[in-house]
Amino acid sequence: EPEVTQTPSHQVTQMGQEVILRCVPISNHLYFYWYRQILGQKVEFLVSFYNNEISEKSEIFDDQFSVERPDGSNFTLKIRSTKLEDSAMYFCASRTGGSYEQYFGPGTRLTVT
Amino acid sequence: AQSVTQLDSQVPVFEEAPVELRCNYSSSVSVYLFWYVQYPNQGLQLLLKYLSGSTLVKGINGFEAEFNKSQTSFHLRKPSVHISDTAEYFCAVSPLNQAGTALIFGKGTTLSVSS
Repeated sequence: EPEVTQTPSHQVTQMGQEVILRCVPISNHLYFYWYRQILGQKVEFLVSFYNNEISEKSEIFDDQFSVERPDGSNFTLKIRSTKLEDSAMYFCASRTGGSYEQYFGPGTRLTVT
Repeated sequence: AQSVTQLDSQVPVFEEAPVELRCNYSSSVSVYLFWYVQYPNQGLQLLLKYLSGSTLVKGINGFEAEFNKSQTSFHLRKPSVHISDTAEYFCAVSPLNQAGTALIFGKGTTLSVSS
């Protein structure tokens, strides 16, 4: 069964450093998403991406964040200058054009020290 | 804007007992409704969804949920739980027919099944 994959599973970085979180969505999916879950809190939407552009973003997704689909398979989330409060689990998700069901990856745990 | 309230943060239950996890939502537009499950150290897996039609929807692992529009609820039920159902359960909504369609999640309910 096809699945969304994410790398790395855990990333530790120092405050102020840039990080790139990688996702490989399911191959025939058209919509891509990033969510985050701060420890003990709910899953929060960050951004959605369709047809090579951002279709929707939340207040959390400020200028420090960017997304890219550099090739036909990867979907990345970049945080330019990490802050302590960026520590969270980051989930990638994808869906087809005809279904509202989003398929989630296993997540990347980002720890900013 | 939409919001989701999961009324119980933790639900302890004995094996083979029935369980109900409650979810209420608020929205100015019609929404699709979802329940996701997160097992320890894993990602989110879709349990079931309501898009339209019958208000009682059945999902994987014996779970079902009933959409009640007048009460804006979408409670999750299982008649007999197993130890393996121990996990975090998230209710989520997304607005109908909008591009992007971000999921708005509740805070989650931890279901703990013991023998």
